[in-house]
Amino acid sequence: GESVGLHLPTLSVQEGDNSIINCAYSNSASDYFIWYKQESGKGPQFIIDIRSNMDKRQGQRVTVLLNKTVKHLSLQIAATQPGDSAVYFCAENIAGGGADGLTFGKGTHLIIQP
Amino acid sequence: DTAVSQTPKYLVTQMGNDKSIKCEQNLGHDTMYWYKQDSKKFLKIMFSYNNKELIINETVPNRFSPKSPDKAHLNLHINSLELGDSAVYFCASSQGRTGWYFGPGTRLTVL
Repeated sequence: GESVGLHLPTLSVQEGDNSIINCAYSNSASDYFIWYKQESGKGPQFIIDIRSNMDKRQGQRVTVLLNKTVKHLSLQIAATQPGDSAVYFCAENIAGGGADGLTFGKGTHLIIQP
Repeated sequence: DTAVSQTPKYLVTQMGNDKSIKCEQNLGHDTMYWYKQDSKKFLKIMFSYNNKELIINETVPNRFSPKSPDKAHLNLHINSLELGDSAVYFCASSQGRTGWYFGPGTRLTVL
């Protein structure tokens, strides 16, 4: 079964507001996490990643937070724009080699309202 | 330049046919993958190839066979297509445990 899941299938926010997308993972052996953005008709696009030796990592308008105690991952998007509308996936990888691939969560559809 | 490319973008075929999807990456990555995305958007790994060696086969039917002529290519062959094979198939590549890049996907429809 899947070890990564998302709390909310759909999240609707006003343009300009901040959005937070949550993800829970169940495999404590996972030590590398990635957030992907998937627009309609396109492949998953890398947004930001974080390793288990970190609690927080910031990118351009995005921040990923990792809480290993409760196995929780979140993606914060600041000042959301219409172009942020997409499905967002968290994915995990377990130590042991890159060939293990990624395990994906179900995805959250982020809708930006004007 | 496109990092990971797939052809075709769309594939419509009859049940029972055999088809192939091609994938190429120009990133110099050592590992390539195939993922399947179902109608509910769930992404699941099917295969990975590292230096021409199959690393993972996640309970995929043996009608599916990945073939890698070289490090930059990983093609997916599907025999005796079934209705349930309809999905979007994504190729991806990575270098070690960083930089997983995905292709644009191939939407397969089996009639």
